[in-house]
Amino acid sequence: EAQVTQNPRYLITVTGKKLTVTCSQNMNHEYMSWYRQDPGLGLRQIYYSMNVEVTDKGDVPEGYKVSRKEKRNFPLILESPSPNQTSLYFCASRLGGAHQPQHFGDGTRLSIL
Amino acid sequence: KQEVTQIPAALSVPEGENLVLNCSFTDSAIYNLQWFRQDPGKGLTSLLLIQSSQREQTSGRLNASLDKSSGRSTLYIAASQPGDSATYLCALQGAGNMLTFGGGTRLMVKP
Repeated sequence: EAQVTQNPRYLITVTGKKLTVTCSQNMNHEYMSWYRQDPGLGLRQIYYSMNVEVTDKGDVPEGYKVSRKEKRNFPLILESPSPNQTSLYFCASRLGGAHQPQHFGDGTRLSIL
Repeated sequence: KQEVTQIPAALSVPEGENLVLNCSFTDSAIYNLQWFRQDPGKGLTSLLLIQSSQREQTSGRLNASLDKSSGRSTLYIAASQPGDSATYLCALQGAGNMLTFGGGTRLMVKP
């Protein structure tokens, strides 16, 4: 089944403790992205990647890192999480080209205490 | 910077009604516009994608239109059903893989 898989789905952690949210897609998609969704602010793009070793900042990249060492994986790294990063995070992927729909994972709910 | 607005923020209709969801945007330099559906606790599901050169797309009971000159898109849902209850989001794709989302319309279809 074609899908985007995020792990973990839920995480409660404390300020400053490094964490990684994994994202994997099995559709051989070139493009991958990370979004966060917050009440009243909607979905905002954090980082995106157009292919292996090619990443770029979205609208809200501060406090996050990403890497794209393999085509199928695009982990989101929070080196020193803070409470303002408590949010619902989504990973998405799509084929290359301008007119391809995005496929989203089911989301990761992060709570930073 | 692209700004995307969806009105209304919430809508409640009786089953069987035809309805229109609105999306407006400020920058017409887009590659495409996408409509998504989001169910509680789930990710987004792509419903329709309209390329910048197209005026509309249809899928089943859904029809989406795009008017770049006025900065507007509409999602028309025919004969609404309780299973259509969800949040509907429009998103504009610009340069690279930048996707800018509207705030969404929360739809409830009552049996």
